[in-house]
Amino acid sequence: DTGVSQDPRHKITKRGQNVTFRCDPISEHNRLYWYRQTLGQGPEFLTYFQNEAQLEKSRLLSDRFSAERPKGSFSTLEIQRTEQGDSAMYLCASSPGQWDTDTQYFGPGTRLTVL
Amino acid sequence: LAKTTQPISMDSYEGQEVNITCSHNNIATNDYITWYQQFPSQGPRFIIQGYKTKVTNEVASLFIPADRKSSTLSLPRVSLSDTAVYYCLVGIHGSSNTGKLIFGQGTTLQVKP
Repeated sequence: DTGVSQDPRHKITKRGQNVTFRCDPISEHNRLYWYRQTLGQGPEFLTYFQNEAQLEKSRLLSDRFSAERPKGSFSTLEIQRTEQGDSAMYLCASSPGQWDTDTQYFGPGTRLTVL
Repeated sequence: LAKTTQPISMDSYEGQEVNITCSHNNIATNDYITWYQQFPSQGPRFIIQGYKTKVTNEVASLFIPADRKSSTLSLPRVSLSDTAVYYCLVGIHGSSNTGKLIFGQGTTLQVKP
């Protein structure tokens, strides 16, 4: 299976700690997205990369959040000084990037629990 | 961006056809309508996308009337495995050039035996 993969699948951390998640998109997909989903809600857009360039960030992405896609392949999402409100499912998606209407392929997500 | 309204939940029985309607009164001329499906603890999965009239693929049909102010996702002969949340998305593509998806709360479909 060569779909989108995310690591780890689950992360439990204490408030104030830093965490980093990794996303491996489908090979040769130019666009990579991060979303956050809380219980009972639909996913919310966080940020987007076109190759290695981060082109848009949601206002949901506070200064404690940083995302990178250094070689235009995998991406990392880091949360510094985690808060209980950061507890959520963090989803990564990729698309070919040729058209705005391209299907986005989602990974299984990383579930973060901040104690 | 066009706002969507869809029922919060629906119940059905195995073997029935399920129709989920989404309202999007402010849809723009260049907007597409896309439906995603999400199972618990998984990422959303693309189901179908359309612009007007009818689109059919191996899993669903999408009906879009001429005014495009609503759309209906039709799932033929549902099974227990179709129990999931279904999201209607409109007004993303072409409006921002990023392709980002804006999800609402979705419709939780419960299929009973």
